Amino acid sequence: QSVLTQPPSASGTPGQRVTISCSGSSSNIGSDTVHWYQHLPGTAPKLLIYRNNQRPSGVPDRFSGSKSGTSASLAISGLQSEDEADYYCAAWDDNLKGVFGSGTKVTVL
Amino acid sequence: QVQLVQSGAEVKKPGASVKLSCKASGYTFTNYFMHWVRQAPGQGLEWMGIINPFGGSTSYAQKFQGRVTMTRDTSTSTVHMELSSLTSEDTALYYCARDLKQVTDTSDYCFDYWGQGTLVTVSS
Repeated sequence: QSVLTQPPSASGTPGQRVTISCSGSSSNIGSDTVHWYQHLPGTAPKLLIYRNNQRPSGVPDRFSGSKSGTSASLAISGLQSEDEADYYCAAWDDNLKGVFGSGTKVTVL
Repeated sequence: QVQLVQSGAEVKKPGASVKLSCKASGYTFTNYFMHWVRQAPGQGLEWMGIINPFGGSTSYAQKFQGRVTMTRDTSTSTVHMELSSLTSEDTALYYCARDLKQVTDTSDYCFDYWGQGTLVTVSS
């Protein structure tokens, strides 16, 4: 049971906008920053968004992050076939230290 | 360029221990925290712990306390993670991951570079 709750799946057609939620509590998202990772099968996870809404160099601006209270969201606009992957939110938790979300599988229809 | 190269796959029997390595290159090894993260088959990512390569201090997830030991060898820019009393539930892909922040700051548990992963299979 993950401390951070994400929907198990999300989908969209090419070009659409997809949003993934990450729900936490005052001991994690509510008190610290959120990061997002993209994980393709057979590869190492990739940092997509850090500190709520910052993109590392090389990450397309189609990916954006936001946080409000004890929840965060990752938005993928202009969905592309190569965006089909698992997405995880992550944060620091006052009790458990490093925590990940349950993961969301994004399917491009 | 930053690279984290992990040791090869391991097969262990229940009750045994496993020691994995992660060799860093392309940056000053002692400047950045290193973490270990694992993914069991069909499961999500799970944070295991952090080591400060500069002084060697560690902090582990409560779940692994008493069973995990993280060490570093500054002469070879390598971090090690040993997990003992293995059970089938420890079968997973284990990753080392570098922290975004340098050790002069407080880690915010954000990982910018990852190793390729090491598969550990625990089976009798």
